[in-house]
Amino acid sequence: NAGVMQNPRHLVRRRGQEARLRCSPMKGHSHVYWYRQLPEEGLKFMVYLQKENIIDESGMPKERFSAEFPKEGPSILRIQQVVRGDSAAYFCASSPSWGFQETQYFGPGTRLLVL
Amino acid sequence: KNQVEQSPQSLIILEGKNCTLQCNYTVSPFSNLRWYKQDTGRGPVSLTIMTFSENTKSNGRYTATLDADTKQSSLHITASQLSDSASYICVVSAGDSNYQLIWGAGTKLIIKP
Repeated sequence: NAGVMQNPRHLVRRRGQEARLRCSPMKGHSHVYWYRQLPEEGLKFMVYLQKENIIDESGMPKERFSAEFPKEGPSILRIQQVVRGDSAAYFCASSPSWGFQETQYFGPGTRLLVL
Repeated sequence: KNQVEQSPQSLIILEGKNCTLQCNYTVSPFSNLRWYKQDTGRGPVSLTIMTFSENTKSNGRYTATLDADTKQSSLHITASQLSDSASYICVVSAGDSNYQLIWGAGTKLIIKP
């Protein structure tokens, strides 16, 4: 059973370009979470999705950021018109269900560098 | 404001020695507390999860304690190994949800041979 897959592992973009980060959850997991980690800081929750639904996007900036988890295919975190402050590691996690003791399994992350 | 603070920020110990990492939290309502290990360049991996009623939980050489009254937790690592070098992150869950996790900044542990 492969773990959570994220690609690309590293992404370089120039200011104003778009960044698309992909996350394939573990097999059998229908709950996906996206986090952002700035250097020397803890992870910050961005968005929680189930198949075809955004459950909680309270941690996601209102502009330029969007996320989806379609019925088929990976979850996508999309950042439009990137700025230098978007440079960070973006982690995706998945879980088989929702519950306060459910463990989230993390992918290796995508490191975004905005030049 | 919900917060999780960890200490020390970084720690260097010799291989084979024990160490204890601290976590203080102000999260309400408290649901559970987790410790994660994050190797450099990798995603976090869950070590332990404890609810309000649990005082201690072990996972191999890792033992976590929780004092819900003082809102403190510790992670004790016994007989450290070089592979223990990583960041250890304390994470507190607020309310009854799984995804409302408040993450500490982590303690960076370096094990020297």
